[in-house]
Amino acid sequence: GAGVSQSPRYKVTKRGQDVALRCDPISGHVSLYWYRQALGQGPEFLTYFNYEAQQDKSGLPNDRFSAERPEGSISTLTIQRTEQRDSAMYRCASSWTSGSTDTQYFGPGTRLTVL
Amino acid sequence: AQSVSQHNHHVILSEAASLELGCNYSYGGTVNLFWYVQYPGQHLQLLLKYFSGDPLVKGIKGFEAEFIKSKFSFNLRKPSVQWSDTAEYFCAVNKAAGNKLTFGGGTRVLVKP
Repeated sequence: GAGVSQSPRYKVTKRGQDVALRCDPISGHVSLYWYRQALGQGPEFLTYFNYEAQQDKSGLPNDRFSAERPEGSISTLTIQRTEQRDSAMYRCASSWTSGSTDTQYFGPGTRLTVL
Repeated sequence: AQSVSQHNHHVILSEAASLELGCNYSYGGTVNLFWYVQYPGQHLQLLLKYFSGDPLVKGIKGFEAEFIKSKFSFNLRKPSVQWSDTAEYFCAVNKAAGNKLTFGGGTRVLVKP
């Protein structure tokens, strides 16, 4: 498996619970991105990292959302006190460099459902 | 802020028909343009991208796209589709000095055998 992996693939949680979504990028990829995709829409940018540094978190909708990549590889997106409006597909992508022309390789996504 | 519009939400066509999917973006500066595809049960994968040079870009599986700067467009084309082209197609753009992608809403394409 040389691709981007995400876990869990599906997560059902109750409103008010915290969830942690994991992304394992392609080995050696410097940049890692998180996107959120609501039903019937395209992915929307949340945040991205170069190595372990969070370079841009302008897309995080509020302070319940946070992300980390402590060792510059695996990343975790955490949503605290989940709400029904957080239900979506959460997609992770990685790229060799942070260059704007570099291809972003996407993982399979985590489908989050908040009841 | 930049935005991307895909004009058709759903397209249904028969095998061997030609396909053209529209994509327009709003941003006055230099951009890079991408088309991604998601086949049923699979994850997003890159079809093609443009960042400079010949505005007619060829990608995988016989797809091509043409960048028309004056129209802020990057339409995707395939002369003759196959049933296996059934998928959702996303146009995306980023600024030349940035890397976060802005996606359009996607177009679902159904090719009838």
